Amino acid sequence: AQSVTQLGSHVSVSEGALVLLRCNYSSSVPPYLFWYVQYPNQGLQLLLKYTTGATLVKGINGFEAEFKKSETSFHLTKPSAHMSDAAEYFCAVIPYRGSQGNLIFGKGTKLSVKP
Amino acid sequence: DVKVTQSSRYLVKRTGEKVFLECVQDMDHENMFWYRQDPGLGLRLIYFSYDVKMKEKGDIPEGYSVSREKKERFSLILESASTNQTSMYLCVIGGPYEQYFGPGTRLTVT
Repeated sequence: AQSVTQLGSHVSVSEGALVLLRCNYSSSVPPYLFWYVQYPNQGLQLLLKYTTGATLVKGINGFEAEFKKSETSFHLTKPSAHMSDAAEYFCAVIPYRGSQGNLIFGKGTKLSVKP
Repeated sequence: DVKVTQSSRYLVKRTGEKVFLECVQDMDHENMFWYRQDPGLGLRLIYFSYDVKMKEKGDIPEGYSVSREKKERFSLILESASTNQTSMYLCVIGGPYEQYFGPGTRLTVT
Protein backbone atom coordinates (compact mmCIF):
# COMPACT_ATOMS: atom_id res chain seq x y z
CA ALA A 1 0.00 0.00 0.00
CA GLN A 2 1.10 3.53 -0.68
CA SER A 3 2.34 5.45 2.33
CA VAL A 4 3.67 8.82 3.36
CA THR A 5 6.22 9.19 6.14
CA GLN A 6 6.85 12.46 7.91
CA LEU A 7 9.99 12.28 9.99
CA GLY A 8 9.43 13.88 13.37
CA SER A 9 6.01 14.42 14.89
CA HIS A 10 7.32 17.58 16.59
CA VAL A 11 9.94 20.00 15.31
CA SER A 12 11.10 23.05 17.22
CA VAL A 13 13.11 25.90 15.72
CA SER A 14 14.12 29.36 16.82
CA GLU A 15 12.65 32.41 15.16
CA GLY A 16 14.79 33.26 12.14
CA ALA A 17 16.19 29.75 11.81
CA LEU A 18 15.77 27.40 8.87
CA VAL A 19 12.63 25.28 8.82
CA LEU A 20 13.01 21.77 7.37
CA LEU A 21 10.10 19.34 7.51
CA ARG A 22 10.75 15.96 5.95
CA CYS A 23 8.41 13.88 3.83
CA ASN A 24 9.07 10.61 2.06
CA TYR A 25 6.57 8.62 0.05
CA SER A 26 6.39 5.13 -1.35
CA SER A 27 5.38 5.03 -4.97
CA SER A 28 6.77 3.32 -8.01
CA VAL A 29 5.73 6.17 -10.27
CA PRO A 30 5.98 9.90 -9.63
CA PRO A 31 2.91 10.94 -7.69
CA TYR A 32 1.26 14.26 -7.17
CA LEU A 33 2.63 15.79 -3.95
CA PHE A 34 1.17 18.31 -1.54
CA TRP A 35 1.93 20.16 1.67
CA TYR A 36 -0.92 21.44 3.82
CA VAL A 37 -0.81 23.59 6.95
CA GLN A 38 -3.32 23.58 9.79
CA TYR A 39 -3.33 26.38 12.33
CA PRO A 40 -4.91 25.69 15.73
CA ASN A 41 -8.67 25.19 15.48
CA GLN A 42 -8.67 25.84 11.76
CA GLY A 43 -9.06 23.77 8.61
CA LEU A 44 -6.34 22.58 6.27
CA GLN A 45 -4.85 25.11 3.89
CA LEU A 46 -2.83 24.20 0.81
CA LEU A 47 0.76 25.48 1.05
CA LEU A 48 2.07 24.14 -2.24
CA LYS A 49 1.84 21.24 -4.64
CA TYR A 50 3.84 19.42 -7.26
CA THR A 51 2.04 17.86 -10.21
CA THR A 52 4.44 18.19 -13.10
CA GLY A 53 7.24 20.37 -14.43
CA ALA A 54 9.80 22.13 -12.25
CA THR A 55 10.75 20.04 -9.25
CA LEU A 56 11.32 23.03 -6.95
CA VAL A 57 7.92 24.35 -6.00
CA LYS A 58 7.25 27.65 -4.28
CA GLY A 59 4.24 28.11 -2.09
CA ILE A 60 2.61 30.65 0.15
CA ASN A 61 4.21 32.31 3.18
CA GLY A 62 7.76 31.80 1.88
CA PHE A 63 7.70 28.00 1.90
CA GLU A 64 9.11 25.82 -0.84
CA ALA A 65 9.58 22.11 -1.46
CA GLU A 66 11.67 20.05 -3.82
CA PHE A 67 10.55 16.83 -5.44
CA LYS A 68 13.45 14.38 -5.58
CA LYS A 69 12.45 11.27 -7.44
CA SER A 70 15.63 9.35 -6.65
CA GLU A 71 15.07 9.89 -2.93
CA THR A 72 11.24 9.64 -3.08
CA SER A 73 11.18 12.80 -1.01
CA PHE A 74 9.33 16.11 -0.94
CA HIS A 75 10.83 18.05 1.98
CA LEU A 76 9.38 21.41 2.97
CA THR A 77 11.70 24.32 3.75
CA LYS A 78 11.58 27.96 4.74
CA PRO A 79 14.79 29.97 5.13
CA SER A 80 13.71 31.96 8.17
CA ALA A 81 11.02 30.87 10.63
CA HIS A 82 8.46 33.30 11.92
CA MET A 83 6.36 32.94 15.04
CA SER A 84 3.25 32.78 12.85
CA ASP A 85 4.57 29.57 11.23
CA ALA A 86 3.74 27.59 14.36
CA ALA A 87 1.18 25.06 13.13
CA GLU A 88 0.80 21.45 12.09
CA TYR A 89 2.02 20.49 8.63
CA PHE A 90 0.81 17.58 6.59
CA CYS A 91 2.45 16.03 3.57
CA ALA A 92 0.11 14.22 1.18
CA VAL A 93 0.30 12.35 -2.09
CA ILE A 94 -2.02 11.22 -4.80
CA PRO A 95 -0.21 8.02 -5.52
CA TYR A 96 -0.67 7.64 -9.22
CA ARG A 97 -1.91 9.53 -12.16
CA GLY A 98 -5.27 8.38 -13.33
CA SER A 99 -6.59 7.82 -9.83
CA GLN A 100 -9.67 9.64 -8.64
CA GLY A 101 -7.55 11.95 -6.59
CA ASN A 102 -7.73 10.32 -3.19
CA LEU A 103 -5.08 11.89 -1.02
CA ILE A 104 -2.88 9.82 1.26
CA PHE A 105 -1.68 11.89 4.21
CA GLY A 106 1.29 11.64 6.49
CA LYS A 107 0.70 11.76 10.23
CA GLY A 108 1.67 15.37 10.48
CA THR A 109 4.50 17.39 12.01
CA LYS A 110 3.85 20.05 14.64
CA LEU A 111 6.16 22.99 14.23
CA SER A 112 6.98 25.14 17.25
CA VAL A 113 8.83 28.43 16.86
CA LYS A 114 10.76 29.76 19.85
CA PRO A 115 11.32 33.50 20.25
CA ASP B 1 -16.02 30.46 -4.89
CA VAL B 2 -16.28 26.71 -4.32
CA LYS B 3 -18.52 25.77 -1.49
CA VAL B 4 -18.31 22.50 0.46
CA THR B 5 -20.69 22.41 3.37
CA GLN B 6 -21.08 19.86 6.11
CA SER B 7 -24.34 19.47 7.97
CA SER B 8 -22.98 20.13 11.46
CA ARG B 9 -19.82 21.62 12.96
CA TYR B 10 -20.29 19.84 16.28
CA LEU B 11 -22.28 16.72 17.05
CA VAL B 12 -22.70 14.69 20.22
CA LYS B 13 -24.23 11.22 19.95
CA ARG B 14 -24.68 8.24 22.23
CA THR B 15 -23.13 4.82 21.73
CA GLY B 16 -25.26 2.67 19.47
CA GLU B 17 -27.01 5.53 17.70
CA LYS B 18 -27.15 5.71 13.93
CA VAL B 19 -25.39 8.88 12.81
CA PHE B 20 -25.62 10.68 9.48
CA LEU B 21 -22.99 13.17 8.36
CA GLU B 22 -23.78 15.07 5.21
CA CYS B 23 -21.58 16.83 2.73
CA VAL B 24 -22.93 19.07 0.00
CA GLN B 25 -20.95 20.71 -2.80
CA ASP B 26 -21.87 23.33 -5.34
CA MET B 27 -19.13 22.47 -7.85
CA ASP B 28 -20.78 19.66 -9.80
CA HIS B 29 -17.65 17.60 -9.12
CA GLU B 30 -17.63 13.84 -9.58
CA ASN B 31 -15.19 12.98 -6.79
CA MET B 32 -16.10 13.23 -3.14
CA PHE B 33 -14.19 11.84 -0.18
CA TRP B 34 -14.72 11.29 3.55
CA TYR B 35 -11.73 11.43 5.90
CA ARG B 36 -11.35 11.35 9.63
CA GLN B 37 -8.64 13.32 11.39
CA ASP B 38 -7.18 12.15 14.69
CA PRO B 39 -4.21 13.58 16.62
CA GLY B 40 -1.00 11.80 15.73
CA LEU B 41 -2.65 9.83 12.92
CA GLY B 42 -3.19 12.51 10.31
CA LEU B 43 -6.12 12.17 7.94
CA ARG B 44 -7.31 8.74 6.95
CA LEU B 45 -9.62 7.94 4.06
CA ILE B 46 -12.88 6.23 4.99
CA TYR B 47 -14.83 6.10 1.72
CA PHE B 48 -14.95 7.91 -1.56
CA SER B 49 -17.25 8.21 -4.52
CA TYR B 50 -16.52 9.12 -8.11
CA ASP B 51 -20.09 9.18 -9.40
CA VAL B 52 -23.69 8.97 -8.30
CA LYS B 53 -24.44 5.62 -6.65
CA MET B 54 -20.75 4.65 -6.89
CA LYS B 55 -18.63 4.14 -3.80
CA GLU B 56 -15.21 2.80 -2.97
CA LYS B 57 -13.75 1.77 0.38
CA GLY B 58 -10.84 3.73 1.66
CA ASP B 59 -8.31 2.65 4.24
CA ILE B 60 -10.61 2.46 7.27
CA PRO B 61 -14.20 1.68 6.15
CA GLU B 62 -15.12 -0.59 9.06
CA GLY B 63 -18.12 0.70 10.98
CA TYR B 64 -19.09 3.16 8.25
CA SER B 65 -21.19 3.21 5.13
CA VAL B 66 -21.93 5.90 2.56
CA SER B 67 -24.67 7.04 0.26
CA ARG B 68 -24.56 9.14 -2.88
CA GLU B 69 -28.01 9.45 -4.42
CA LYS B 70 -27.37 12.87 -5.97
CA LYS B 71 -24.17 14.22 -7.42
CA GLU B 72 -23.92 17.13 -5.00
CA ARG B 73 -24.49 15.17 -1.79
CA PHE B 74 -22.34 12.50 -0.13
CA SER B 75 -23.44 11.09 3.20
CA LEU B 76 -21.35 9.20 5.72
CA ILE B 77 -23.30 6.84 7.96
CA LEU B 78 -22.19 5.40 11.26
CA GLU B 79 -24.48 2.39 11.58
CA SER B 80 -23.99 2.02 15.33
CA ALA B 81 -21.80 4.73 16.77
CA SER B 82 -19.00 3.70 19.09
CA THR B 83 -16.67 5.77 21.27
CA ASN B 84 -13.71 5.02 19.00
CA GLN B 85 -15.51 6.90 16.25
CA THR B 86 -15.13 10.14 18.19
CA SER B 87 -13.18 12.23 15.72
CA MET B 88 -13.11 15.14 13.29
CA TYR B 89 -14.72 14.19 9.99
CA LEU B 90 -13.73 16.04 6.84
CA CYS B 91 -15.41 16.01 3.47
CA VAL B 92 -13.18 16.73 0.48
CA ILE B 93 -14.10 17.17 -3.17
CA GLY B 94 -11.88 17.38 -6.20
CA GLY B 95 -9.50 15.52 -8.41
CA PRO B 96 -5.77 15.20 -8.89
CA TYR B 97 -5.15 18.90 -9.41
CA GLU B 98 -7.53 20.65 -7.03
CA GLN B 99 -9.05 19.64 -3.71
CA TYR B 100 -11.57 21.54 -1.64
CA PHE B 101 -12.11 20.85 2.03
CA GLY B 102 -15.30 21.17 4.01
CA PRO B 103 -15.17 22.84 7.44
CA GLY B 104 -15.32 19.51 9.29
CA THR B 105 -17.70 17.94 11.78
CA ARG B 106 -16.38 17.25 15.25
CA LEU B 107 -18.26 14.17 16.42
CA THR B 108 -18.23 13.05 20.03
CA VAL B 109 -19.72 9.66 20.89
CA THR B 110 -20.46 9.18 24.57
